[in-house]
Amino acid sequence: DTGVSQDPRHKITKRGQNVTFRCDPISEHNRLYWYRQTLGQGPEFLTYFQNEAQLEKSRLLSDRFSAERPKGSFSTLEIQRTEQGDSAMYLCASLADSYNEQFFGPGTRLTVL
Amino acid sequence: DAKTTQPPSMDCAEGRAANLPCNHSTISGNEYVYWYRQIHSQGPQYIIHGLKNNETNEMASLIITEDRKSSTLILPHATLRDTAVYYCIVRTSANTGNQFYFGTGTSLTVIP
Repeated sequence: DTGVSQDPRHKITKRGQNVTFRCDPISEHNRLYWYRQTLGQGPEFLTYFQNEAQLEKSRLLSDRFSAERPKGSFSTLEIQRTEQGDSAMYLCASLADSYNEQFFGPGTRLTVL
Repeated sequence: DAKTTQPPSMDCAEGRAANLPCNHSTISGNEYVYWYRQIHSQGPQYIIHGLKNNETNEMASLIITEDRKSSTLILPHATLRDTAVYYCIVRTSANTGNQFYFGTGTSLTVIP
């Protein structure tokens, strides 16, 4: 499968715990995006990487959130001290410079108890 | 990026054309119109995009009005698998690196 993959697909955690999600973009795509989606809403932008550089962050990305993309390949999104309001679907998308289409992964559904 | 307005929900009979409207009255000259759809519990899927001219691909047609203030996505022969939330997005070219702003979209239900 040459699409965008995300791991895990589902995560249940207790409030206050730290969680980390992984995204593997399509191999030749140098741009990578993270979005968050809550029930009944469209995806909301969190952050954007071009290669290994994090170029843009939404104000939604509080200090408890951190994202990395070492070596410009896969990316991780970590949430520290999770809160119930963090429960959402976390989506990753990648894009090649020569294309206009963002390819989305299947998402990681986080439930914070 | 300009804001878009879409009806929250629509129904369409299977086999008929589904016409999904989108208003983007504040669109700028360099902003494209994109359409994505999201089937339940999956990531959004690209459908089509355009700047000024009407566009057609194997999935759909995109009709953009001459003043570019609105557009319509047309699914020519809707099937049950087209039941999804459809998002209309306007943004500058992908080469600027900007993210997509998704609204709440239109929930399309194709009825047998």
